[in-house]
Amino acid sequence: AQSVTQPDIHITVSEGASLELRCNYSYGATPYLFWYVQSPGQGLQLLLKYFSGDTLVQGIKGFEAEFKRSQSSFNLRKPSVHWSDAAEYFCAVGLTQGGSEKLVFGKGTKLTVNP
Amino acid sequence: KAGVTQTPRYLIKTRGQQVTLSCSPISGHRSVSWYQQTPGQGLQFLFEYFSETQRNKGNFPGRFSGRQFSNSRSEMNVSTLELGDSALYLCASSLALASARTGELFFGEGSRLTVL
Repeated sequence: AQSVTQPDIHITVSEGASLELRCNYSYGATPYLFWYVQSPGQGLQLLLKYFSGDTLVQGIKGFEAEFKRSQSSFNLRKPSVHWSDAAEYFCAVGLTQGGSEKLVFGKGTKLTVNP
Repeated sequence: KAGVTQTPRYLIKTRGQQVTLSCSPISGHRSVSWYQQTPGQGLQFLFEYFSETQRNKGNFPGRFSGRQFSNSRSEMNVSTLELGDSALYLCASSLALASARTGELFFGEGSRLTVL
């Protein structure tokens, strides 16, 4: 079955430190991959997306992600974290399942930023 | 440009009742999708409407239904509420159908339903 796994439920980093959030997917075809962020009490906002081409994609707020087909991974990175990055991050795969097209989300990784 | 608006933001119901949630998409967006978010199951796709027709559907029982109006506004209804229906219900709009594969979904802040 198609799925998205985010191995880390909660990550804590210090402000200014680098960040990498992991995402692994299970899907037979070429996936459409997304990272969304959800701030407390807010809806989700798209950070970046990958459809094809260059495997390193740039997003908003200084985030980037790298698609690695051999590892079925799409990890999110940021060189220097800001306190305002504290939020929950969701990796998602866009796919066709049972004749319907939808986004399948991972369970999320909650990011805490220490001052 | 106004974002996706969901009403009500919070509501409390008892088991067996029904509930209707409303979503107004971004102006010009014709697709509206609904997601259920719970701590245990995470985000799960309910359905997507485009041009007043349900085009995509997730794996939820028939108690969960929706509709879309000619102005693209959408409502979802849950009948015979169960305790497990307590969740944050998120609506997302987009320009195109099958936005899950094509691009960006714009989410509202959600309607938090508590079933007692």
